[in-house]
Amino acid sequence: GQNIDQPTEMTATEGAIVQINCTYQTSGFNGLFWYQQHAGEAPTFLSYNVLDGLEEKGRFSSFLSRSKGYSYLLLKELQMKDSASYLCAVMDSNYQLIWGAGTKLIIKP
Amino acid sequence: GAVVSQHPSWVICKSGTSVKIECRSLDFQATTMFWYRQFPKQSLMLMATSNEGSKATYEQGVEKDKFLINHASLTLSTLTVTSAHPEDSSFYICSAKSWEYQPQHFGDGTRLSIL
Repeated sequence: GQNIDQPTEMTATEGAIVQINCTYQTSGFNGLFWYQQHAGEAPTFLSYNVLDGLEEKGRFSSFLSRSKGYSYLLLKELQMKDSASYLCAVMDSNYQLIWGAGTKLIIKP
Repeated sequence: GAVVSQHPSWVICKSGTSVKIECRSLDFQATTMFWYRQFPKQSLMLMATSNEGSKATYEQGVEKDKFLINHASLTLSTLTVTSAHPEDSSFYICSAKSWEYQPQHFGDGTRLSIL
């Protein structure tokens, strides 16, 4: 079966760095996406990785290792507004998105 | 770019009525649109995938006669919840993408409350 695993909840301090991990087992791979979802709102697109390595976009970076079935989202200089759920999703061989359950990130002052 | 508009944002209606939700891609042509449902504090649940001009593909357990999906053009898809009941109350979110490798871009969602 297809499976995406990510931690249910994480807590971090304002100004710090946090890494949210995602491991996956899917039938085929056409890329991995990270989305941010604030409570009561729709998800917003953060990043897309299809090749191994690190993609940096401002305070957010996303890493992929296809051989390990592993990705992480790195958030630097955390701000209170970063409190949200972070969703990992993998596009399988049929171009369907397989969603993780999301990681709720709590930022404390 | 990649803006998806969803309307209405909120719907409150009586049990037994039908509700139509619109999803529009404003600045790109969406070959594929998706409809999700999300209950409070739960994960996104894909309900159906629709491609322009063809019938929607429904996920297992989703009643196609209750949740009617029409993807009439490359910029518009509609979800109609027919004969809605309180258990249909949820947050419904659409998304759209232009081609396979593009990310899905989400509308703002529709909060549906059935009394």
